[in-house]
Amino acid sequence: DSGVTQTPKHLITATGQRVTLRCSPRSGDLSVYWYQQSLDQGLQFLIQYYNGEERAKGNILERFSAQQFPDLHSELNLSSLELGDSALYFCASSVGTEHNSPLHFGNGTRLTVT
Amino acid sequence: AQSVAQPEDQVNVAEGNPLTVKCTYSVSGNPYLFWYVQYPNRGLQFLLKYITGDNLVKGSYGFEAEFNKSQTSFHLKKPSALVSDSALYFCAVRDGGGADGLTFGKGTHLIIQP
Repeated sequence: DSGVTQTPKHLITATGQRVTLRCSPRSGDLSVYWYQQSLDQGLQFLIQYYNGEERAKGNILERFSAQQFPDLHSELNLSSLELGDSALYFCASSVGTEHNSPLHFGNGTRLTVT
Repeated sequence: AQSVAQPEDQVNVAEGNPLTVKCTYSVSGNPYLFWYVQYPNRGLQFLLKYITGDNLVKGSYGFEAEFNKSQTSFHLKKPSALVSDSALYFCAVRDGGGADGLTFGKGTHLIIQP
């Protein structure tokens, strides 16, 4: 068990809808990362937060947004959903922002857009 | 920009034989290199990392990886494969001097045959 908790495990919704994915990092970790995993794109880095502040941005669409709260949990908001947004969304955490820190991954949220 | 290539979608090895999963990378600065393993319906688990120092890095479950700067490679190895090693393996890189998140390869399915 990595100590990173993601909810919900599965989410099925329709095109055009909005969903929120939630992540609780490992105890003591200040950085949270979001990744999208799909068969055609592989693992894509979306965004990183450190202690409540956005730290790095990857291939995150404008329809997607995230935030990290004072208690360090993070939420990823996906809006105007399209069929192509169906994927496994992973949250990961690390102690700090050091580039040599390994990431600890949650078990993911599987999003299906119909 | 940083990138990772895993040239093999799948590697098949007989149980007890040595295994190698290949990875090459590209970064502007010093590479921080990682290997992760993913079992079905689970998040990624950290195996090992190279930051600096010895080119041969030892990690979890008997795995090791060899860093080769001239060939920009970081191949994962294990002297004797187990059926339980069957999983999806990801190589990842981060530029030590950059601000980007961790970039993952497409993954290699490792299948260990009894």
